[in-house]
Amino acid sequence: GDSVTQMEGPVTLSEEAFLTINCTYTATGYPSLFWYVQYPGEGLQLLLKATKADDKGSNKGFEATYRKETTSFHLEKGSVQVSDSAVYFCALSLETSGSRLTFGEGTQLTVNP
Amino acid sequence: DVKVTQSSRYLVKRTGEKVFLECVQDMDHENMFWYRQDPGLGLRLIYFSYDVKMKEKGDIPEGYSVSREKKERFSLILESASTNQTSMYLCASSTPTSGRGTDTQYFGPGTRLTVL
Repeated sequence: GDSVTQMEGPVTLSEEAFLTINCTYTATGYPSLFWYVQYPGEGLQLLLKATKADDKGSNKGFEATYRKETTSFHLEKGSVQVSDSAVYFCALSLETSGSRLTFGEGTQLTVNP
Repeated sequence: DVKVTQSSRYLVKRTGEKVFLECVQDMDHENMFWYRQDPGLGLRLIYFSYDVKMKEKGDIPEGYSVSREKKERFSLILESASTNQTSMYLCASSTPTSGRGTDTQYFGPGTRLTVL
């Protein structure tokens, strides 16, 4: 079946460090790919998305590129801030499954001052 | 801004009780979803609905049912709560965009349910 695998957490970084959170997927068709973020005590919110191969999603300094050849959608940020501390979820959705999302396990990021 | 509200942030129930979790969205979205979130497992889809009085099973529907009598409201029901249903429950809504499978889901803040 369709699945999403994220790098194991938790991840702890110092402020201004470079962030990469790996995400790979398995899907029978051509999925849309998403990164959602969950700040402490809140629900999830969309961070960025890409709907076709080679698309780059970006928001709040975060970027991810849809790589069909490696079935990946890694999240990157050049300089993290304390306020980026959150849980990050990679997810996919298939055209054939409508609006259903399949999520990865989530990666807890802590940024220290 | 889209707002998705859930009836309780924290809930404590006893084994065997019938539990209702309510979700309301204010943006006239067609699609609504119920997930449970557990550490190391991410979010797993319990049930979803594409229209009023419609429901579809997700990946883990056992022990749950849902009700959608009005477009803005989607209820999750635990018919007889058990300790393994202790979890965070998240509701979400979305509206179909130009490409199927591309729409953004908007989430409520979650209900942390403890079953004793």
